[in-house]
Amino acid sequence: EADIYQTPRYLVIGTGKKITLECSQTMGHDKMYWYQQDPGMELHLIHYSYGVNSTEKGDLSSESTVSRIRTEHFPLTLESARPSHTSQYLCASSEPNRGLITDTQYFGPGTRLTVL
Amino acid sequence: KNQVEQSPQSLIILEGKNCTLQCNYTVSPFSNLRWYKQDTGRGPVSLTIMTFSENTKSNGRYTATLDADTKQSSLHITASQLSDSASYICVVSDRGSTLGRLYFGRGTQLTVWP
Repeated sequence: EADIYQTPRYLVIGTGKKITLECSQTMGHDKMYWYQQDPGMELHLIHYSYGVNSTEKGDLSSESTVSRIRTEHFPLTLESARPSHTSQYLCASSEPNRGLITDTQYFGPGTRLTVL
Repeated sequence: KNQVEQSPQSLIILEGKNCTLQCNYTVSPFSNLRWYKQDTGRGPVSLTIMTFSENTKSNGRYTATLDADTKQSSLHITASQLSDSASYICVVSDRGSTLGRLYFGRGTQLTVWP
């Protein structure tokens, strides 16, 4: 099992609150990712990072922001939570490319966020 | 448009039976295809990975096949167990960028009954 951790696992919060979802990995991976997943739907990439001080927006527009100050840590922040942010958020990290094989991503257990 | 379609959407089988899940994709240029298993409330875990030159890959009771010409893949599960109950996600990667863009299917929800 991959050494990638997310906290909290479950979060129920009121509208307008600021929240930070934590993600950390102990594998020394440079690349890290945040995905959003609704029940029965595919994963959507919302943020990714190539390394320290590198952050990029993914394919799905998101009001969240991320930071990458340390290699092992990639937190996601919502300044003002809304019911539309209710979803599962999955963090992943990947090891370097090997020839034709693009990065194998290792996923954390996810944070189930509910905004009331 | 690059897409990954999986079928069936859900499947119920009895313990000990075999089953086959399907994945069709339109991703181009193709790099590799992965099957992931996602238990309820957990993150996906990689089962198999195949490049365009590989047409079959096994991992225990899981056997994946790939036909790069027809852009189809299947995941065959042999002698199913209760612990196989999960969502199985097909993920296709392109070679169009350094990131190695991943395209996710919506998954097949497999339920194994005793």
